[in-house]
Amino acid sequence: ILNVEQSPQSLHVQEGDSTNFTCSFPSSNFYALHWYRWETAKSPEALFVMTLNGDEKKKGRISATLNTKEGYSYLYIKGSQPEDSATYLCAFHTGANSKLTFGKGITLSVRP
Amino acid sequence: NAGVMQNPRHLVRRRGQEARLRCSPMKGHSHVYWYRQLPEEGLKFMVYLQKENIIDESGMPKERFSAEFPKEGPSILRIQQVVRGDSAAYFCASSPSATYYEQYFGPGTRLTVT
Repeated sequence: ILNVEQSPQSLHVQEGDSTNFTCSFPSSNFYALHWYRWETAKSPEALFVMTLNGDEKKKGRISATLNTKEGYSYLYIKGSQPEDSATYLCAFHTGANSKLTFGKGITLSVRP
Repeated sequence: NAGVMQNPRHLVRRRGQEARLRCSPMKGHSHVYWYRQLPEEGLKFMVYLQKENIIDESGMPKERFSAEFPKEGPSILRIQQVVRGDSAAYFCASSPSATYYEQYFGPGTRLTVT
């Protein structure tokens, strides 16, 4: 059974604060790790997909790192803004075009 | 290029009725995945289809649920004789090829069984 764990479950921060989230996943049979951003009533939007140990990806104020040997990924948001409020999902898969196994997500709320 | 389309966005069915959920993948995508989000839970895989073939249905309940992705037209997730426990948000995702990592999601269909 593959389990993807995300922590914390929810986070409330002030505008301008930096935040980070953790995703842990089984380190065996690793193929790729995905981060999605999901706003209520919208489609989950792909942020990053990472495949190699040590990968670091960045998009604006958001960045992610990957450690496949120990089975974790961090997502960082620098200088949070109210528009960053969303649920952040990580998902793991074991082969090209295989199913994604999702964590429960982390709900971020940024107060202006 | 339009994204993944799902319809209807909201569907209300009485217990015992049938529910049909449609998913039109992105243009050029021939791989479709269905996921379900039950209340208070994360997204769970149900079924993976390529055109005219079911590749992996390991997450699909054995009874009452079926899925298809015909040569022409959208993918359909069909739930027969719905029960209250089927109330959930159903999402589909698509990807273009067998070696492509990313899956692009639609906005989901929220099914309510009364």
